[in-house]
Amino acid sequence: DIVMTQSPDSLAVSLGERATINCKSSQSVLYSSNNKNYLAWYQQKPGQPPKLLIYWASTRESGVPDRFSGSGSGTDFTLTISSLQAEDVAVYYCQQYYSTPPGFGQGTRLEIK
Amino acid sequence: QVQLVQSGAEVKKPGASVKVSCKASGYTFTSYYMHWVRQAPGQGLEWMGIINPSGGSTSYAQKFQGRVTMTRDTSTSTVYMELSSLRSEDTAVYYCARDLEVGATSGMDVWGQGTTVTVSS
Repeated sequence: DIVMTQSPDSLAVSLGERATINCKSSQSVLYSSNNKNYLAWYQQKPGQPPKLLIYWASTRESGVPDRFSGSGSGTDFTLTISSLQAEDVAVYYCQQYYSTPPGFGQGTRLEIK
Repeated sequence: QVQLVQSGAEVKKPGASVKVSCKASGYTFTSYYMHWVRQAPGQGLEWMGIINPSGGSTSYAQKFQGRVTMTRDTSTSTVYMELSSLRSEDTAVYYCARDLEVGATSGMDVWGQGTTVTVSS
């Protein structure tokens, strides 16, 4: 199984500042035949189901604010929130769908400093 | 609008089984795979398995092999997840989640509201 490891486990950022969350996979999730990284990012707020933010490592889901961006390739990925808003307080998860089982990272809790 | 509506909360005794339903609407039910993901209290997300609503084929996480069964009813656009031999560690919120892409496995773009299953004697 591919193991997904996020860092840090928790993060406190001031309003308007940049937040960066990292995700590392135990093996590459880049499929060479189509040059796509099989990696998604989710946001989960308390009492709610997860919400898809980013897929194919960098494609923003419809309706997601453009302050959210995804980058990286192979085994190392980053979710960046360019200017933190109060409503961005949540737990963020990365997930690989390169192989079964499509595992999740352990989550990163984002708070306001 | 695309929507997944799950059945209500359940309380079960150890050793019992639970069957959770997930009714889809607003899209072609047979075109998109459906995942089941669970989340224990205060914990992260755990993938349980996937079903292809078109043919009914399934793939389960090794951890749940032999205890989980995923089925579908195309006449009502509903998928089901049954978990047997329940133990306290199965206490969690169970989610169904639609795959993003037609006929493929990728991200999960639509999620049910979650069903809380509590296992307690």
